Amino acid sequence: NAGVTQTPKFQVLKTGQSMTLQCAQDMNHNSMYWYRQDPGMGLRLIYYSASEGTTDKGEVPNGYNVSRLNKREFSLRLESAAPSQTSVYFCASSESTGGPYEQYFGPGTRLTVT
Amino acid sequence: GNSVTQMEGPVTLSEEAFLTINCTYTATGYPSLFWYVQYPGEGLQLLLKATKADDKGSNKGFEATYRKETTSFHLEKGSVQVSDSAVYFCALSDRSYIPTFGRGTSLIVHP
Repeated sequence: NAGVTQTPKFQVLKTGQSMTLQCAQDMNHNSMYWYRQDPGMGLRLIYYSASEGTTDKGEVPNGYNVSRLNKREFSLRLESAAPSQTSVYFCASSESTGGPYEQYFGPGTRLTVT
Repeated sequence: GNSVTQMEGPVTLSEEAFLTINCTYTATGYPSLFWYVQYPGEGLQLLLKATKADDKGSNKGFEATYRKETTSFHLEKGSVQVSDSAVYFCALSDRSYIPTFGRGTSLIVHP
């Protein structure tokens, strides 16, 4: 099992450009999440999907959109990148029935917006 | 709402020293508690967990006990190694889909 995979690993964008971060999991998990990690800020939840067909805003959704393409895949889109979106982005998945709801993380995408 | 507070770092230790990283939480009900570890350049991975009061989670020489009376889940290791240098996150999960993470504590172990 590959677990949670993310592409790309690194990306540099210019202000105003758009891009989509891809995430896939092979653990048959219902729930998937997008976080950003910034120095001194810990992890902040951007969006999550409790199950296929549903998405909800997290703590810092502005400037982002998501798509739960199917049970395996959950993508994050930056429509018009800004320097404030320079960060490391992590996708995670978890089961949502039975508990405890431990999370499985991907390796991250390191994004720089100039 | 739920919250997790963990000690600020960095925590700097010499190899073979005893490690404690404090974690306290606020939650309604009976959440499950976790410690995750993040090595440089990697994503978080589960280190250990406990699902009810007085449970002790353990893995790779690390331990933490779920203390409901003090709402704490402190991480301990008797003898740290250079390879333990990483960032450690305390987290809780209740019946909602959204876990709550602490801000992370950086551990630096010198030879």
